[in-house]
Amino acid sequence: QPVLTQSSSASASLGSSVKLTCTLSSGHSSYIIAWHQQQPGKAPRYLMKLEGSGSYNKGSGVPDRFSGSSSGADRYLTISNLQSEDEADYYCETWDSYTVVFGGGTKVTVL
Amino acid sequence: EVQLVESGGGLVQPGRSLRLSCTASGFTFGDYAMSWVRQAPGKGLEWVGFIRSQAYGGTAECAASVKGRFTISRDDSKSIAYLQMNSLKTEDTAVYYCIRGMADYWGQGTLVTVSS
Repeated sequence: QPVLTQSSSASASLGSSVKLTCTLSSGHSSYIIAWHQQQPGKAPRYLMKLEGSGSYNKGSGVPDRFSGSSSGADRYLTISNLQSEDEADYYCETWDSYTVVFGGGTKVTVL
Repeated sequence: EVQLVESGGGLVQPGRSLRLSCTASGFTFGDYAMSWVRQAPGKGLEWVGFIRSQAYGGTAECAASVKGRFTISRDDSKSIAYLQMNSLKTEDTAVYYCIRGMADYWGQGTLVTVSS
């Protein structure tokens, strides 16, 4: 089954950009992933689905500041013009016919 | 508007059972797989299981950590997905979320506390 690897933390200044990485395990580099945001004390929120081609499909109401891209086994989430409300945990997720896997999450701090 | 509302959580003793419900609205429930994900206090997200739509057999898959103890079912006539949890352990303590399909809508979660 696939494994997803995420850095544990990232930080960037208010108004700047941050790029988060989710890496698929060997043999699974073509998998579609999803990105989710979890603000403190809240349920997770779906942000987007991201294909290996770099094509992505955002959820309803997700700001334009959030974008996705891909390179090989790496899937990226870029947050531009970082806002205070973007301080949250970000999880990637993937799945196949029989299982679903989450990455360990990246905690984003807005400086 | 898509809505998913979990219910049935609470405090339960180790070894006992609990059934969670996920009541859906705002979409054609029978067209979608439904998933359950949990989050232990201070931890990350952990997949629990999913159930396919009837078009794909209506069968369910569960994570190894709960296989044989947890069962997922659905009632398309009521737009409800269920998570039956038996032989509960203290490590099952978590907020349990239901999700439409594999990803795109989350419920608000229901807390299950397993403690004597």
